[in-house]
Amino acid sequence: GESVGLHLPTLSVQEGDNSIINCAYSNSASDYFIWYKQESGKGPQFIIDIRSNMDKRQGQRVTVLLNKTVKHLSLQIAATQPGDSAVYFCAENRAAAGNKLTFGGGTRVLVKP
Amino acid sequence: EPEVTQTPSHQVTQMGQEVILRCVPISNHLYFYWYRQILGQKVEFLVSFYNNEISEKSEIFDDQFSVERPDGSNFTLKIRSTKLEDSAMYFCASSLQGSGNTIYFGEGSWLTVV
Repeated sequence: GESVGLHLPTLSVQEGDNSIINCAYSNSASDYFIWYKQESGKGPQFIIDIRSNMDKRQGQRVTVLLNKTVKHLSLQIAATQPGDSAVYFCAENRAAAGNKLTFGGGTRVLVKP
Repeated sequence: EPEVTQTPSHQVTQMGQEVILRCVPISNHLYFYWYRQILGQKVEFLVSFYNNEISEKSEIFDDQFSVERPDGSNFTLKIRSTKLEDSAMYFCASSLQGSGNTIYFGEGSWLTVV
């Protein structure tokens, strides 16, 4: 069946270092991927997205990489800050599935001062 | 920056009671959604709504659930007879267009069924 999953449930990172969060998906028909950040007690906050016709997309301090060959998605956060501490979810969407997002299980990022 | 707003932020209700969760999507958005997140679990899709009708729903969204857009700004989720397992954070979301368009989430309504 289709699924979106995360490799690491918790990632501890030193402030100022780069963070890499990984996500695997199983449905090769997925064509749109999104990373969300969720702070405690809040809703998912959009970070960055990427379409299946791209391999890489950059935002402010964040980069998303998509490897369709191995169905892998990653989020890189440069110079991690204390405010980056949160749970990060990847989500996938297929055009044939309307705009229904399928979320992964989440990775908690803890930034150490 | 425009945002999705939800009320109430937290509601406690007795099992069997009806609950209505309210949302004001981003004003120019056309697609509306409800998702839920049981404590410690992943976010799950419930329903999508476009042009005043449900466009897609999950198996979670059974006959106990309904959605409505009663006016030009509000979007509601009703649970007719709540069960203990309905306890979760319910997120409203909206997007400007459909598939492949960024979906923006509200802060959520935490529902506790006792």
